[in-house]
Amino acid sequence: GENVEQHPSTLSVQEGDSAVIKCTYSDSASNYFPWYKQELGKGPQLIIDIRSNVGEKKDQRIAVTLNKTAKHFSLHITETQPEDSAVYFCAASTATNRDDKIIFGKGTRLHILP
Amino acid sequence: DAGVTQSPTHLIKTRGQHVTLRCSPISGHKSVSWYQQVLGQGPQFIFQYYEKEERGRGNFPDRFSARQFPNYSSELNVNALLLGDSALYLCASSPTAYEQYFGPGTRLTVT
Repeated sequence: GENVEQHPSTLSVQEGDSAVIKCTYSDSASNYFPWYKQELGKGPQLIIDIRSNVGEKKDQRIAVTLNKTAKHFSLHITETQPEDSAVYFCAASTATNRDDKIIFGKGTRLHILP
Repeated sequence: DAGVTQSPTHLIKTRGQHVTLRCSPISGHKSVSWYQQVLGQGPQFIFQYYEKEERGRGNFPDRFSARQFPNYSSELNVNALLLGDSALYLCASSPTAYEQYFGPGTRLTVT
């Protein structure tokens, strides 16, 4: 089955700097890659996603890249702000009309330093 | 628009008891999935239901069961609770085969 590896487990960056979180997946059939942000005491919040037919997607300060050949995908946050502090999860899914379970990485705890 | 709602928010049970967790999806979403999140880990897939039919099941024992009702709400049942079942149980609803939107979760503590 699918396995998603996420690095680093903890990341500290100065406010205003950029943060990068990297993930790899094992199942070449995976075609959907969402990223979630989870704040303390809350459920995961979908912040951006990318499908396998796209190499890059950007939404304001957040961007994701996907390298299908290498089975790598990454989250880039620019101009980090204190409210970006949270746990971020990458995930992979083989979305079909029958089954679209999401397999999550173990998470990255992002600290934004003042 | 209301997001995914879950009840109860917190629950304390004793080993051997059973528990029922409830989820209401976003209006118009017909698919509901359940995940277990142990402290410090990513969510793990338990079940997915679409139009009241089970579409997928994760690697969980038969003590875990679920169902979806005609209004697309869902219940997760866990029998014969073990200490290791202590976790945050998340429900997610989906309009398509892609995006899943999570509720706030139910924190289950088994003592």
